[in-house]
Amino acid sequence: AQTVTQSQPEMSVQEAETVTLSCTYDTSESDYYLFWYKQPPSRQMILVIRQEAYKQQNATENRFSVNFQKAAKSFSLKISDSQLGDAAMYFCAYRSTGGNEKLTFGTGTRLTIIP
Amino acid sequence: DTEVTQTPKHLVMGMTNKKSLKCEQHMGHRAMYWYKQKAKKPPELMFVYSYEKLSINESVPSRFSPECPNSSLLNLHLHALQPEDSALYLCASSQDFRRLGNTIYFGEGSWLTVV
Repeated sequence: AQTVTQSQPEMSVQEAETVTLSCTYDTSESDYYLFWYKQPPSRQMILVIRQEAYKQQNATENRFSVNFQKAAKSFSLKISDSQLGDAAMYFCAYRSTGGNEKLTFGTGTRLTIIP
Repeated sequence: DTEVTQTPKHLVMGMTNKKSLKCEQHMGHRAMYWYKQKAKKPPELMFVYSYEKLSINESVPSRFSPECPNSSLLNLHLHALQPEDSALYLCASSQDFRRLGNTIYFGEGSWLTVV
C-alpha cells in the first residue's frame, strides 16, 4: 500500500521568512501525482500545488514551490515570504493509477507564522 | 464558481436519530467524495461516486448510507451512529475520478457530534 509520511508535526516561521515542509512517500507505481493541500482554521482543504511524477521540472505557484526528488521519493514544499494567512495545517497527498486513484494523505504539518 | 457547499455546518444528534448531511456542487464535476476527519488527523476517504454510481466504499459501516440523486448533489444519511462517529465530514468533487491530476475541491465540512 502507498504511504505518505510527514515527519514534522509542527513548524513555525517568522513572517516574511522562508520555510520548507518535508514529505516522503512510498510507491512502486511509475505514474502518479503529488499534491500539497492546506487546511486553515476554516477547515476547507485548499490545493496549494501539484506535481506530476513524469515532469522533472519542479512545480511553482507564486510563493509556493516544491523540491521533487523522484528517486528519493521526496516531495518538499517551500513557502517563501511567509504571510500570516499561510498559517494552516499542510497535508502532502498522493494519487496513482491501478486502483489507487483515491487521494492518500500524510499526517500533516501544522505551520505557525510568527509576526 | 469553484465551490462545494455543505449543509449543515454543525449537527448534534442522538444515537437513535436519523439525519442527513448534504453536499452540492455546480462545477459540472462527475466525481463526488465523502471524507471523514477526526481531530488532528488527515481526512479518510469513505465513499466515491463517479458518474452518479458508487465506485468506492472504504468498508464504511452501514449506519452511513451515501446517496447521489444527481450529478450535482451528494447526501450522507446517518442512522444509529455511535459517539466515536463524531468528526468533521468533508464533501469533495472533481471533474473525473480517473484523471489523477484533476483538482479535488473540498467543502468546509459538517461538524457532527453524536451524543
